[in-house]
Amino acid sequence: KAGVTQTPRYLIKTRGQQVTLSCSPISGHRSVSWYQQTPGQGLQFLFEYFSETQRNKGNFPGRFSGRQFSNSRSEMNVSTLELGDSALYLCASSVGQGNEKLFFGSGTQLSVL
Amino acid sequence: GENVEQHPSTLSVQEGDSAVIKCTYSDSASNYFPWYKQELGKRPQLIIDIRSNVGEKKDQRIAVTLNKTAKHFSLHITETQPEDSAVYFCAASSGGSYIPTFGRGTSLIVHP
Repeated sequence: KAGVTQTPRYLIKTRGQQVTLSCSPISGHRSVSWYQQTPGQGLQFLFEYFSETQRNKGNFPGRFSGRQFSNSRSEMNVSTLELGDSALYLCASSVGQGNEKLFFGSGTQLSVL
Repeated sequence: GENVEQHPSTLSVQEGDSAVIKCTYSDSASNYFPWYKQELGKRPQLIIDIRSNVGEKKDQRIAVTLNKTAKHFSLHITETQPEDSAVYFCAASSGGSYIPTFGRGTSLIVHP
């Protein structure tokens, strides 16, 4: 069974640009959640999608958005990039029933210059 | 919403010693408490979890304890080995939430 796949693995952008990250969940998983990881801040929850609908949302500005497709693949978009957006962005998939194991991808390391 | 506090932020031990990481949570409705391990440059992976109907769970050298009254839970690692060096995250979630709230992580360093 293939794991959670995130692309690209690394990204370098400049301030003001926008970026799109992709996440392919484990087959059969309908929930995809996104996290921002920075040193000392742990895993900050961005949003969660289930069956193409945003089911939960964290406390991030509207520049951060996402979507989920009918095959459960998800994309995350960040517009008008700021230096502080530099981080590792992780996605995680699960069946979507709640209170269950999350399977994480390897992440996309975003650097904003 | 749920708030999870995790301590210490850094823990340094000698190989063979025990390590304990503690977490507290705020929402009394939380009933699922997973622990994730993230080795350097790798993805977080679940190592053990506990539900609120159980007070303790063991898996070889690792164990988790839960005190619902005090709203805290702990990870215990015995006979630590260098490969235990990693960042450990605790989390808590309730039946009404599909997303766990994570602590800030503990960097465990095991010296050979």
